[in-house]
Amino acid sequence: KNEVEQSPQNLTAQEGEFITINCSYSVGISALHWLQQHPGGGIVSLFMLSSGKKKHGRLIATINIQEKHSSLHITASHPRDSAVYICAVRGPWGGNKLVFGAGTILRVKS
Amino acid sequence: DGGITQSPKYLFRKEGQNVTLSCEQNLNHDAMYWYRQDPGQGLRLIYYSQIVNDFQKGDIAEGYSVSREKKESFPLTVTSAQKNPTAFYLCASSQRDLSQDTQYFGPGTRLTVL
Repeated sequence: KNEVEQSPQNLTAQEGEFITINCSYSVGISALHWLQQHPGGGIVSLFMLSSGKKKHGRLIATINIQEKHSSLHITASHPRDSAVYICAVRGPWGGNKLVFGAGTILRVKS
Repeated sequence: DGGITQSPKYLFRKEGQNVTLSCEQNLNHDAMYWYRQDPGQGLRLIYYSQIVNDFQKGDIAEGYSVSREKKESFPLTVTSAQKNPTAFYLCASSQRDLSQDTQYFGPGTRLTVL
């Protein structure tokens, strides 16, 4: 079993829909990251969370440490949101080592 | 304009040849990382370097080598000993190798072995 599991693997939405991507992990963590990978391959960091909730524009990330679960929400989705969304966790092993989920491929249709 | 550059974007190699992937950063970061991405799998750590002239193996270092002679450069060599080298390779850097530091990623190099 992977230490970081994401669901769904693939997601197709209509423009304007509310989107939720889930991440579950099996280890104790010091932080969780949500990353966005564009079709060209480049990756950008969206959020780093250790508790609670963060919001940036139409993106909201939440984490429940007790349940070892995080969600990424996109409100009023747009075709430009189409990308791969990756969850990564930083554990108690020290340093900056991240363990990555396999990613969720999101396609938003107009 | 600060960032991480990787070159080339696409690389083709004949089986049995070594190939070196470039990674340069002008963010003045101490720590640098190399990851491999395969379809349907999460990124996996190949090597990382916390400081110039020092580096450590990651989870899948076999068949790879690195050097860190300059702070801004962390080239990765894929050797002929790597049995399945076709993949997408991503370089990243962070200010230090500490848990609170964000990693910044380069655009990646797609390596195909013919």
